[in-house]
Amino acid sequence: DGGITQSPKYLFRKEGQNVTLSCEQNLNHDAMYWYRQDPGQGLRLIYYSQIVNDFQKGDIAEGYSVSREKKESFPLTVTSAQKNPTAFYLCATRVAGTRDSPLHFGNGTRLTVT
Amino acid sequence: DAKTTQPNSMESNEEEPVHLPCNHSTISGTDYIHWYRQLPSQGPEYVIHGLTSNVNNRMASLAIAEDRKSSTLILHRATLRDAAVYYCILRDVRGSTLGRLYFGRGTQLTVWP
Repeated sequence: DGGITQSPKYLFRKEGQNVTLSCEQNLNHDAMYWYRQDPGQGLRLIYYSQIVNDFQKGDIAEGYSVSREKKESFPLTVTSAQKNPTAFYLCATRVAGTRDSPLHFGNGTRLTVT
Repeated sequence: DAKTTQPNSMESNEEEPVHLPCNHSTISGTDYIHWYRQLPSQGPEYVIHGLTSNVNNRMASLAIAEDRKSSTLILHRATLRDAAVYYCILRDVRGSTLGRLYFGRGTQLTVWP
């Protein structure tokens, strides 16, 4: 069954710890994205990657890091430098090279840092 | 970046049509209009998109104004499962911005039985 898997669904960490959120896809999509959503807000782009071993900063990349070593995987690390890490994190994919293909989203990871 | 304006909330009764408006007065010629919806604690789901002409699919219809400064998502018969936050988004397919979408707060649709 093709799709995007984000794990875990809920994640709790202490302040000052780095944490890595997983995003795996078997849709064979080239482009992958990480968004952050705060309560009552829309989505804000953190990082995106359109090809393996390449990625670009989005609008709120500070305090985050990513890697894209495999086409299927795009993990996001929330570092201790991120001032307000508690949020709902969404991973998305799309077919690159087409003009208007839609985004496909995972079901998110809710991160709580105390 | 072109922005969109949507009402914060709308209500409908089950099995009635719903018209969700979106204003995008600064839209450029290459901006596609995309609609997504999001259920609580889930990722957004693609609904429909268009450039200039009206579009229909199994989920909804998209009516685009002739000057493209506004659009309307039409759910022909609302069901309880259509209750969600609906996002109207402009997607610029030029150059390095290919694939970036800018999400606002969207419209919370409540459907009453």
